[in-house]
This record gives sequence, C-alpha cells and structure tokens, in this order.
Amino acid sequence: QQQVKQSPQSLIVQKGGISIINCAYENTAFDYFPWYQQFPGKGPALLIAIRPDVSEKKEGRFTISFNKSAKQFSLHIMDSQPGDSATYFCAARSARQLTFGSGTQLTVLP
Amino acid sequence: KAGVTQTPRYLIKTRGQQVTLSCSPISGHRSVSWYQQTPGQGLQFLFEYFSETQRNKGNFPGRFSGRQFSNSRSEMNVSTLELGDSALYLCASSQKGTDTQYFGPGTRLTVL
Repeated sequence: QQQVKQSPQSLIVQKGGISIINCAYENTAFDYFPWYQQFPGKGPALLIAIRPDVSEKKEGRFTISFNKSAKQFSLHIMDSQPGDSATYFCAARSARQLTFGSGTQLTVLP
Repeated sequence: KAGVTQTPRYLIKTRGQQVTLSCSPISGHRSVSWYQQTPGQGLQFLFEYFSETQRNKGNFPGRFSGRQFSNSRSEMNVSTLELGDSALYLCASSQKGTDTQYFGPGTRLTVL
C-alpha cells in the first residue's frame, strides 16, 4: 500500500514537445505529492509539488495534474528542452516519509 | 544559504567493515532524512531525525543506524557491510512546518 507506481521507465521527446510522466498510488494517507529532477552525480531537486485538494498546479513549463478519485497524478513538461534531460521521480508523503516512484529517464532530442 | 552537504562524497569499503556518513543540513533546518538509492530498488527511506530524536524509520535491518546532534548535523552508520549496501546515500533536510525536503549530493558507497 506504500507503493507509488511510475511510468514510463524511459521517455524520448523531441525538442519543443510535451513530456508526460504518470504516477499512481494506493495509500489514501498520502498528503503531499512532489516531483523531483535528478541529474547524474547530483541529488534530487524539487521541481514542483501539489497537495490533494488541488487538481492542477503550474509553474513555468511544468504542470502537475492530480486526480484524487483515480489516485493518479502526472507531470507535464511543456516545450521540452535538451537541458530537461534527466531522471524524474514522483513521490508521495505520509507521516513525513517520502515514498518514491521508480523514476523516468527523460531524453530530449535537439 | 549553503545547501545540504554530505561527506565523504565517495567511499570504498570491503565486506564486513562499518562506515559512517555525515550530513550537514541547510542552516535553520532541524529535520534530516536519509535515503538509499540503488538501480534495483530506487529511492528508499531509511530514517528521519528531528531535534536529535528519530521520528520515523524505514524497512531496513538494524545494521543501519543514525543519530542527530544538537546542531542538527546527522550521521548514519552501517555496520557489517554487505555487497548489497553499495548505493548512493542521500540526506535531505527540511524546516519544521514546511513540506519541501532539500537533498544533498549524496555519498556513493561501494562495498567490495
């Protein structure tokens, strides 16, 4: 019940395209859903986050869509750039503990 | 403000040894969490400390332990190292009452 399932495992997008990464969860005790970006050799960095009482949050080119009834949330990266090439992790928090998805390796082709 | 710092950045040990990793949180952050990252298991929560007290613990064996000092710096210790302990160990800090966890660059532990 603590799992967060993330898909796809890898994603290749052309520059300027939209990247979409999906996550699903079971535990209704999760109260906070962040997305992290990780470059090789670096720790994860917070991109954007949402609470379950909001259905969508947008920050620049990054948007989280949240469907509470379906227990799903997704990250949309608009106008994807080669510099966005990284591994993306969704996460969900319960009792101050983050449970991470398995990660999506995004490659944006120039 | 300086970010989360972790030392050492790289470490090579042999099976059976023990290791201590250090984490200095962002100034003013009193909560420190530790995570293990491996290609097979991904990012897994180890434990969380706040005001020198362990508040939460993940599903890891007792060989993994930690502590937090009065200045919020934290250490984690792994005893009797196994090959499977090879991983990137990440520390994250956060302020009381806030959601965001800020991660350090990690310590890459290799067990031979």
